[in-house]
Amino acid sequence: GDSVTQMEGPVTLSEEAFLTINCTYTATGYPSLFWYVQYPGEGLQLLLKATKADDKGSNKGFEATYRKETTSFHLEKGSVQVSDSAVYFCALSDNAAGNKLTFGGGTRVLVKP
Amino acid sequence: DARVTQTPRDKVTEMGQEVTMRCQPILGHNTVFWYRQTMMQGLELLAYFRNRAPLDDSGMPKDRFSAEMPDATLATLKIQPSEPRDSAVYFCASGQSNYGYTFGSGTRLTVV
Repeated sequence: GDSVTQMEGPVTLSEEAFLTINCTYTATGYPSLFWYVQYPGEGLQLLLKATKADDKGSNKGFEATYRKETTSFHLEKGSVQVSDSAVYFCALSDNAAGNKLTFGGGTRVLVKP
Repeated sequence: DARVTQTPRDKVTEMGQEVTMRCQPILGHNTVFWYRQTMMQGLELLAYFRNRAPLDDSGMPKDRFSAEMPDATLATLKIQPSEPRDSAVYFCASGQSNYGYTFGSGTRLTVV
């Protein structure tokens, strides 16, 4: 079945540092890929998405590129802020699996001033 | 912005009681998911629907959980009887396949 693997946290950074969260996937079909963010006490919010190979999703300074050859969708941000402290989830929606949304385990990021 | 509305926001109940959680998906979205989130298990898919038809409920304990969509504006998740191990945050999400899915704010369930 489909699966998503992302690096375990927590990831602790200083403000203005570079952030990378690795995400790899396995899927039967041709999935769409997503990053969601969850702030404390809130639901998940869609951060960015990519629907086909080599697409780059971007939002709020975050970027991720759909790499089919390495089955990866790593999240990056060049300069993090304290407000980026949250849990980040990588996810896929596979058209060969009824478009079921499959999540990774989540990565907690803590940005210190 | 359109949003997915979940009620109640918080629910504390005694073991053995019935619990009903409700979700109003965004109008026009054809897919609705129910997830459960705990510290130990992370996000677990319980069930999902497309065009109101159940596609997969293999993640639900069948003996006590049930999920329905009586109409396009309402999805329900029921637990009967509830147990302390059901304590979690339950999320509903709606969307249209590759466009991404919008999550509600969740129902925090505590079973004592």
